[in-house]
Amino acid sequence: AQSVTQLDSQVPVFEEAPVELRCNYSSSVSVYLFWYVQYPNQGLQLLLKYLSGSTLVKGINGFEAEFNKSQTSFHLRKPSVHISDTAEYFCAVSLYYNQGGKLIFGQGTELSVKP
Amino acid sequence: GAGVSQSPSNKVTEKGKDVELRCDPISGHTALYWYRQSLGQGLEFLIYFQGNSAPDKSGLPSDRFSAERTGGSVSTLTIQRTQQEDSAVYLCASRSGGAEQYFGPGTRLTVT
Repeated sequence: AQSVTQLDSQVPVFEEAPVELRCNYSSSVSVYLFWYVQYPNQGLQLLLKYLSGSTLVKGINGFEAEFNKSQTSFHLRKPSVHISDTAEYFCAVSLYYNQGGKLIFGQGTELSVKP
Repeated sequence: GAGVSQSPSNKVTEKGKDVELRCDPISGHTALYWYRQSLGQGLEFLIYFQGNSAPDKSGLPSDRFSAERTGGSVSTLTIQRTQQEDSAVYLCASRSGGAEQYFGPGTRLTVT
């Protein structure tokens, strides 16, 4: 079975500061890795994904994440945050799409950017 | 192009009533998923449809929950005899041949 742990439930940060949202996963088989963002009263929007290849992946809105297989981590980073980045962020894993591809989510990290 | 749409956006129902939630996936997407988002349980997988294959129902929490997908497109999630613990946001997602899923805005269900 697969599981995802987001190590911080809330992360407060000042505008223009860097931020890292931490995600660890557990799986006995290879998985895909994702970060989604959810703005208030909206659905989930894909930020970035890791399928294979380069372990550093870049996404939308200036976010990037690094896949670390040995540490089973997929931390999300942004060098300088904006007020508009205030949202909830979800890390997720899925089995390969030919095995169903259902997403297993972490509990979410609420990012609060303060002026 | 159009994204995933869900209706209604909000639904308030009395305990014991049946409800139907609708999902219109992105045109041409063969895979469709339902998830539930609640304060206590976070985001949980419910059910998965892929083409004409039998659906993966492994995430449905009880036999009061069912879903169908007609013509390989629109899907309806039905909850019978609703309970207060069914109150949640129900999210639908669709996928084409790749790995990423595209989510709709969700239906917020409140059972009073």
